[in-house]
Amino acid sequence: GAVVSQHPSWVICKSGTSVKIECRSLDFQATTMFWYRQFPKQSLMLMATSNEGSKATYEQGVEKDKFLINHASLTLSTLTVTSAHPEDSSFYICSPYGGATNEKLFFGSGTQLSVL
Amino acid sequence: AQTVTQSQPEMSVQEAETVTLSCTYDTSESDYYLFWYKQPPSRQMILVIRQEAYKQQNATENRFSVNFQKAAKSFSLKISDSQLGDAAMYFCACKIQGAQKLVFGQGTRLTINP
Repeated sequence: GAVVSQHPSWVICKSGTSVKIECRSLDFQATTMFWYRQFPKQSLMLMATSNEGSKATYEQGVEKDKFLINHASLTLSTLTVTSAHPEDSSFYICSPYGGATNEKLFFGSGTQLSVL
Repeated sequence: AQTVTQSQPEMSVQEAETVTLSCTYDTSESDYYLFWYKQPPSRQMILVIRQEAYKQQNATENRFSVNFQKAAKSFSLKISDSQLGDAAMYFCACKIQGAQKLVFGQGTRLTINP
């Protein structure tokens, strides 16, 4: 399968600070990046979709000013949680997509964010 | 809009036995793909198996096989010779052809009893 690198694996931050999560597709060009959020014992919930060089499209109920997505290159996308609060604590997962993946979707290893 | 439903929140099976996880879906599209993903305690999402909707033949990957019933919109996963390493959360998912998002089911937690 495709190689996807997501960092950091876990992060603890104070309330009010910002956290950046990176997602890299190492062996294919990701024209699209999906960002998911997962609460304990629940399914993955899509937060936003971004296409390289374009603004991200956010799912209903997701604050675009809180969850900033940058997809400036075909191999790197970042999710920045701005002014994080305890309710933002969650597991965040990226999923890059490109034509070379043959309609398969692969996932990063996820980032556990804990906001104190 | 697509929907995916997994009606079994939890399943358990004895090691070496066979277990089937259920999934139903709904979509108005004709070109789509169905997937089963495994999420072990590490929480890394791992692709188990994929089925193209236009293919009548059921996909198989070693001990994993699917029963794809297109008319019934059913897509079950059969795990043969269950192993302790199969213990995980299993998600059924549907994707329209192209750069479209995956829609996930609620998940089924599979326990393997030694």
